[in-house]
Amino acid sequence: SQQGEEDPQALSIQEGENATMNCSYKTSINNLQWYRQNSGRGLVHLILIRSNEREKHSGRLRVTLDTSKKSSSLLITASRAADTASYFCATDGTGTYKYIFGTGTRLKVLA
Amino acid sequence: GAVVSQHPSWVICKSGTSVKIECRSLDFQATTMFWYRQFPKQSLMLMATSNEGSKATYEQGVEKDKFLINHASLTLSTLTVTSAHPEDSSFYICSASLRGRGTEAFFGQGTRLTVV
Repeated sequence: SQQGEEDPQALSIQEGENATMNCSYKTSINNLQWYRQNSGRGLVHLILIRSNEREKHSGRLRVTLDTSKKSSSLLITASRAADTASYFCATDGTGTYKYIFGTGTRLKVLA
Repeated sequence: GAVVSQHPSWVICKSGTSVKIECRSLDFQATTMFWYRQFPKQSLMLMATSNEGSKATYEQGVEKDKFLINHASLTLSTLTVTSAHPEDSSFYICSASLRGRGTEAFFGQGTRLTVV
């Protein structure tokens, strides 16, 4: 089963623009993680945000978490063609250590 | 950092045969490993939770007799797809959590299985 839903499902932007992806989930969580996956490849870990955190930054990435709304967002600033990939959020429910993935957002950055 | 190695990275097998995929934590002990499956252009679906020294816990709808999971040591879990059929063709990926800490999950590079 899918824990989270992401929107948009697909996003196409020009290089240099910002990209925002949203993730909503259903149950209380310990942590939320964002991953990137290039076509047909493995997962690359981007950021982990804990349930008691509201915002984290890593380079051009900014993640927010709103536990009251059960939602998170991933912002990629000054996007590059190399950012073209699928982005997934994954959450582990309280009391469990297994991560359930959202539906994913396919991002295409046009040069 | 924590490294999870998955082998093989790709495999092609004939329909009706069995295929074993290995997932190893190289520099840490993983009491728990997880197996996911991903069909083209879809998300990762959790198949089962593999616990060292005990039976795996399967998600609803996953056939435990078809997808055999063995977690014989703190660094190795295996997934065997038995009597594979073309519909089992998929991307299989494992992850592991650090012993006693259910925070960041570390993923293997995945195995692309093609059943012909």
